[in-house]
Amino acid sequence: AQSVTQPDIHITVSEGASLELRCNYSYGATPYLFWYVQSPGQGLQLLLKYFSGDTLVQGIKGFEAEFKRSQSSFNLRKPSVHWSDAAEYFCAVGAVWFSKLTFGTGTRLQVTL
Amino acid sequence: DVKVTQSSRYLVKRTGEKVFLECVQDMDHENMFWYRQDPGLGLRLIYFSYDVKMKEKGDIPEGYSVSREKKERFSLILESASTNQTSMYLCASSPKHRNYGYTFGSGTRLTVV
Repeated sequence: AQSVTQPDIHITVSEGASLELRCNYSYGATPYLFWYVQSPGQGLQLLLKYFSGDTLVQGIKGFEAEFKRSQSSFNLRKPSVHWSDAAEYFCAVGAVWFSKLTFGTGTRLQVTL
Repeated sequence: DVKVTQSSRYLVKRTGEKVFLECVQDMDHENMFWYRQDPGLGLRLIYFSYDVKMKEKGDIPEGYSVSREKKERFSLILESASTNQTSMYLCASSPKHRNYGYTFGSGTRLTVV
């Protein structure tokens, strides 16, 4: 069965500092990997996705993520965090041709000024 | 702008009531999903549908049912609402074949009193 682990429930960073959110997955085949962001009271917005090829993928809002097959990880990064990045972030994994996604429990990001 | 629309942002219902949560998408997607989101538990799949009149149980279907009479509309039904169904409910859709991820609605926060 597929699963996603986000080991950090809550992270606090200062505005302008770099950010890395961790995601580890368990999947028996080639995974499709996603990062979503949820602002308070809102639905989820897709930040970026990895299908194949280059293991470093770029997304919206200046985010990027790196796929490391040997570590079963897909960590999200941003070089310089803005106060508006405060939100909850979800990692998800799914199959190539089957659409059901499994989500992690999320990481809440707080940004201090 | 393509979207998934959930009919209510906030709902308050009484214990024992039959509750309908409506979701409409305008992207001609075959797949539609209902998740509930609770703090510390992330997103949990309730039901999903691959086509009109088709439905599949997700991870936590107990106490819920669904209806998909038209391609664009996917309804979640709480047959007899209970306080432990107080939650944020998220609807999502995706195309049938290649897994490009979901498009989410803004969510319905349901409170059962």
